[in-house]
Amino acid sequence: DQQVKQNSPSLSVQEGRISILNCDYTNSMFDYFLWYKKYPAEGPTFLISISSIKDKNEDGRFTVFLNKSAKHLSLHIVPSQPGDSAVYFCARGSSNTGKLIFGQGTTLQVKP
Amino acid sequence: DAGVIQSPRHEVTEMGQEVTLRCKPISGHNSLFWYRQTMMRGLELLIYFNNNVPIDDSGMPEDRFSAKMPNASFSTLKIQPSEPRDSAVYFCASTASGTYNEQFFGPGTRLTVL
Repeated sequence: DQQVKQNSPSLSVQEGRISILNCDYTNSMFDYFLWYKKYPAEGPTFLISISSIKDKNEDGRFTVFLNKSAKHLSLHIVPSQPGDSAVYFCARGSSNTGKLIFGQGTTLQVKP
Repeated sequence: DAGVIQSPRHEVTEMGQEVTLRCKPISGHNSLFWYRQTMMRGLELLIYFNNNVPIDDSGMPEDRFSAKMPNASFSTLKIQPSEPRDSAVYFCASTASGTYNEQFFGPGTRLTVL
């Protein structure tokens, strides 16, 4: 039961344009979602999160949108930079358990 | 401050051998998580500990996998006997309670079972 799905395994964007990474979920029992970024040969690092009571959270170039009726989450990066090239994971979390359930990841390539 | 430390960074072994992966969480963190990353399944949670006690091991694939946390600063994940399908990158992560689950990951151990 894949509770968090990232249906696009890869995305290629030109530098300066917007990158939009998507995530769908099937279970509404959660407290918040998180996005992690992963470079090769490194562990994932936390990027941004959003609580279930919000529909938008912004941090610099990164904005996460939550559409609860569609059970859909997206991460917008604008403007995209070559250093943003990485694998992006969305994850859902529960403050009760401390567990995170991750999607399969989307590889973003930002071309100079 | 040191982050999460994992050893070894790379492990190559033959099928049937025992493999032990090690993790030192960030000092002061009381939750520790073991994940496995594969191309097919992405990042899967195997087991996690709270205050050194295993809370949920439902992600552990089978009895060949075991994990321990003898104290707050050390955990092991053991595979015995190892099989080629266990080849993956294994991550350890830790977090402090009350931080809304922002987990800090180690660099991972790349395991290859021949």
